[in-house]
Amino acid sequence: KNEVEQSPQNLTAQEGEFITINCSYSVGISALHWLQQHPGGGIVSLFMLSSGKKKHGRLIATINIQEKHSSLHITASHPRDSAVYICAATPGAGGTSYGKLTFGQGTILTVHP
Amino acid sequence: DTAVSQTPKYLVTQMGNDKSIKCEQNLGHDTMYWYKQDSKKFLKIMFSYNNKELIINETVPNRFSPKSPDKAHLNLHINSLELGDSAVYFCASSPIYKRTGAAWGAFFGQGTRLTVV
Repeated sequence: KNEVEQSPQNLTAQEGEFITINCSYSVGISALHWLQQHPGGGIVSLFMLSSGKKKHGRLIATINIQEKHSSLHITASHPRDSAVYICAATPGAGGTSYGKLTFGQGTILTVHP
Repeated sequence: DTAVSQTPKYLVTQMGNDKSIKCEQNLGHDTMYWYKQDSKKFLKIMFSYNNKELIINETVPNRFSPKSPDKAHLNLHINSLELGDSAVYFCASSPIYKRTGAAWGAFFGQGTRLTVV
């Protein structure tokens, strides 16, 4: 079993819908990242969380440390949001992890007009 | 200005060849990484260097040899390429808090799509 699990693996939505992608992890972490990868493109870091909630535009990321769970929400989704969204954990707190990321499988989001 | 840049973006080569992928970051970060993304889009760490020193080597075949001439560069050399090496390779960098060793943020290059034929 992967240390970082995402769901769903595929998600299709209509423009304007509210979207939620979930991420659970089984290791102790120092930070949880949400990344976005467009088709044929590079990877962009959307959020890095160690507690609570962060918001950027229509994107909201939350984390519950006790439950080892994080969610990424997209409000008023748009076709340009179509991408792969990847959850990644930085294990431990310093030590030898040096920021290495352990990734979820990714969620392929398609938003139709 | 590109923060983390990789070259080449595409690389097609025959089995058995030796090839290199170059990575440079102009962010002043101490730590750099190589990640491999397989055909199912799953990403996995290969190597991590901190200030030119190898920190992480995640059971990667020794045909893969990273080289860090300075903390702004981390190149990946691959010997005797095999079909299974076909993947997208991402370079990344992070700033590290010196006191705790924790990373803050992750900055990725645009990826190098390697196809071995």
